[in-house]
Amino acid sequence: QVQLVESGGGLVKPGGSLRLSCAASGFTFSDYYMSWIRQAPGKGLEWVSYISSSDTTIYYADSVKGRFTISRDNAKNSVYLQMNSLRAEDTAVYYCARDYCSGDRCYYIGYWGQGTLVTVSS
Amino acid sequence: EIVMTQSPATLSVSPGERATLSCRASQSISSNLAWYQHKPGQAPRLLIYDVSTRATGISARFSGSGSGTEFTLTISSLQSEDFAVYYCQQYSNWPPGRTFGQGTKVEIK
Repeated sequence: QVQLVESGGGLVKPGGSLRLSCAASGFTFSDYYMSWIRQAPGKGLEWVSYISSSDTTIYYADSVKGRFTISRDNAKNSVYLQMNSLRAEDTAVYYCARDYCSGDRCYYIGYWGQGTLVTVSS
Repeated sequence: EIVMTQSPATLSVSPGERATLSCRASQSISSNLAWYQHKPGQAPRLLIYDVSTRATGISARFSGSGSGTEFTLTISSLQSEDFAVYYCQQYSNWPPGRTFGQGTKVEIK
């Protein structure tokens, strides 16, 4: 069955960096777009970033553009989110997610991980 | 950006009753709408896509309707496991962005 397991969350000071990882299993990872979606405390879901199966298409929300970098390693069935210049407002649970796409058109999220908590605080 | 607005923010329902959740888009999204269920400490789960198609394994208690800018998720007879937060999500203006509503919490009355 599809499994997505995030790691790398934790407490970091404002201005610091953190790298999230997501290990995928149960499907052919290299066939799928992957996303990172976050939920700040008491808030709704926000699409942070996504990456196409072959890295050719990458998206960032305006709120993280220039600070976060998404990448993937299809040989390791993993997707990553490098987060730099972190701010208090980046505090959230970060979910790794597998997109449902057809061709080069993406639609909704078929599977989600359990999430990893990132806390940005001094 | 297409803004998704869900109402109400909280819905208090007794077990066995029907729950009706609303989702409104700031512009027409045709039928490009999905619904998710999210329980505390768990991964969100896809319930419905393309407005009314249930995802694999989803109970027939859940149904979706609507088109254009107004959408509804109906839970026909609430079970204890249905108490959760529900999010709608549009995928009309891809690329680049897809957006979620702010969620409706369904709680026990």
